[in-house]
Amino acid sequence: AQSVSQHNHHVILSEAASLELGCNYSYGGTVNLFWYVQYPGQHLQLLLKYFSGDPLVKGIKGFEAEFIKSKFSFNLRKPSVQWSDTAEYFCAVSYGNNRLAFGKGNQVVVIP
Amino acid sequence: DAMVIQNPRYQVTQFGKPVTLSCSQTLNHNVMYWYQQKSSQAPKLLFHYYDKDFNNEADTPDNFQSRRPNTSFCFLDIRSPGLGDAAMYLCATSREGGDPETQYFGPGTRLLVL
Repeated sequence: AQSVSQHNHHVILSEAASLELGCNYSYGGTVNLFWYVQYPGQHLQLLLKYFSGDPLVKGIKGFEAEFIKSKFSFNLRKPSVQWSDTAEYFCAVSYGNNRLAFGKGNQVVVIP
Repeated sequence: DAMVIQNPRYQVTQFGKPVTLSCSQTLNHNVMYWYQQKSSQAPKLLFHYYDKDFNNEADTPDNFQSRRPNTSFCFLDIRSPGLGDAAMYLCATSREGGDPETQYFGPGTRLLVL
């Protein structure tokens, strides 16, 4: 079965610090990879996605993610976080026609 | 703005009393999904509709049913809710074809079972 692992469920950091969230998946076939973000009180929304080409993907709000096929990883990064980046971040893998498998999420709190 | 709407945002029901959650979309997407998300857990796909074709996940309990009367609406029916069914229920949509389908989520309905 497909699975997505996200570690360090709770992350607390100060503004201007760098953020990296790990995501590892287990699926032997071709995958499409996503990071979704959920700001407090809001719905899940797409942050960025990878399906082919350049393994370094840039998304909204200064986020980027790197797909490393040999490591089955799709880590999310932001060089300098802001208070408004406080949110829950979910990594997801698309497999087998219209299906998404999500990780458990990372709750990120940025302290002003 | 085009969006995915879920009603109600909060639903309280009694143990064993049938409940229906609704989802509507103005995106005209042909695929609709229902996820269950329990506290501190990943959203878990229950089933999805590809147009009118219903696709149930193998581990979705029989207690959960779904209806899609038209493109815009999709319902989640829980026939006999148990305490373990208390969760956030997320509806999402996507459009088949082209780039890998991005799923657009509604705000969710939080279900409480007393």
